[in-house]
Order: sequence, then structure tokens, then C-alpha cells
Amino acid sequence: DQQVKQNSPSLSVQEGRISILNCDYTNSMFDYFLWYKKYPAEGPTFLISISSIKDKNEDGRFTVFLNKSAKHLSLHIVPSQPGDSAVYFCAAWASGSARQLTFGSGTQLTVLP
Amino acid sequence: EAEVAQSPRYKITEKSQAVAFWCDPISGHATLYWYRQILGQGPELLVQFQDESVVDDSQLPKDRFSAERLKGVDSTLKIQPAELGDSAMYLCASSLAPGMAEAFFGQGTRLTVV
Repeated sequence: DQQVKQNSPSLSVQEGRISILNCDYTNSMFDYFLWYKKYPAEGPTFLISISSIKDKNEDGRFTVFLNKSAKHLSLHIVPSQPGDSAVYFCAAWASGSARQLTFGSGTQLTVLP
Repeated sequence: EAEVAQSPRYKITEKSQAVAFWCDPISGHATLYWYRQILGQGPELLVQFQDESVVDDSQLPKDRFSAERLKGVDSTLKIQPAELGDSAMYLCASSLAPGMAEAFFGQGTRLTVV
């Protein structure tokens, strides 16, 4: 039973264009969401997060949008750069008793020069 | 820059052998996690420590896996005996406190069981 789902295993975009990565969740107890970026043979690195009390958080080229009613969040990268090519994991956190990150299966982003 | 240290980076072992991984979290981080990531999937939590105590090991296969964090600093994850299905990336992560979601990951140990 996947509580965090990334339905697109891969995404290719042209350099300079927008990349949109999507994530859906099922557990209503999740109240904090994070995106991690992972290069091959390295551990995931934290990218950006959003609390459930917000619907948008922006950090430079990266913006995360949260739609609580749809249990959906997305990561926008504008403009996309070749160095952004990596696997992106969506993760969710419940601040109650089960304080652990639940990860999606990841989306491989390839930015074409 | 502070980082989570893991060793070894790569490990090849024969099935039924014992294998151990080591993790040194960022200094001052009280919470330590061990995750397993199978190719094509997201990381899955194996065990969570708060200082030297296990907070959650519900997904740790305790018949063959063990983890310890004796002094509340570095940690060891052991598999004995290893099985072919254990081949995966084993990731260690730490966070400053249990209430903080942002976890910092090490580079991982890639285990191949042959």
C-alpha cells in the first residue's frame, strides 16, 4: 500500500523549459512534504519542503505547490538546467506519533541540452 | 560542511555470510535512520534511533538484521546471514531532533549479495 505515489518514473525536458514533477499521497495525517534530489551513487539531498498550512513555497528556481484537497503536490523547476538531471523523490511526514519520512518511488528527470 | 559518513561505499558478499555497515551522523544530530533503497523504489525505513534508543524498528527483519547505536553517536547495521534479496543501497540519515522532518543522508553503501 503506497502512501506516497510518483506515477511518472521518468521525465525529459529541454534545457531552459519548465520541469513539473508530480506526487500524490493518500494519508490525511501527512502534514509536511519534502522533495529530495538524488544523483547516481550518492545519497538523497534535501531540496525544498512545504508545510500543509501553505499552498506554495519558492526557493530560487524551485517551487513546490500543495493541493491538500486533492492530496497532490508538484515540484516546478524553472528554468531547467542539465545539472538538474537526477532522480527526484517526494517524501511525506506526519508530525504525530509516526514521525518518519515516507518516500515515493522517484522520478528520473533528464534535462536535454 | 558537516555530512553523514558511511562505510564501506560498496560491498560484495556471498549469501549466508555476515555483513556490517557503519554510519557516523552529523555531529549533534540526535536522530539517526537506516533506510534501504531497492533500485527503482524509494528509500524504506528500517530502523530509527533517538540517541541510543530504538524508536521504530517495525520494518527491520529482525531474524537477520540488527542495528545498534551504543553511545548515541555512530551506528552499525548488521545482516547475518545475507540473502540474495538483500542486495540494495543502504542509506543512513540523521536529523537534529525527532520533530524535524529534514533528514540529511550519507552517500550510502551499495550491497551486492552473490
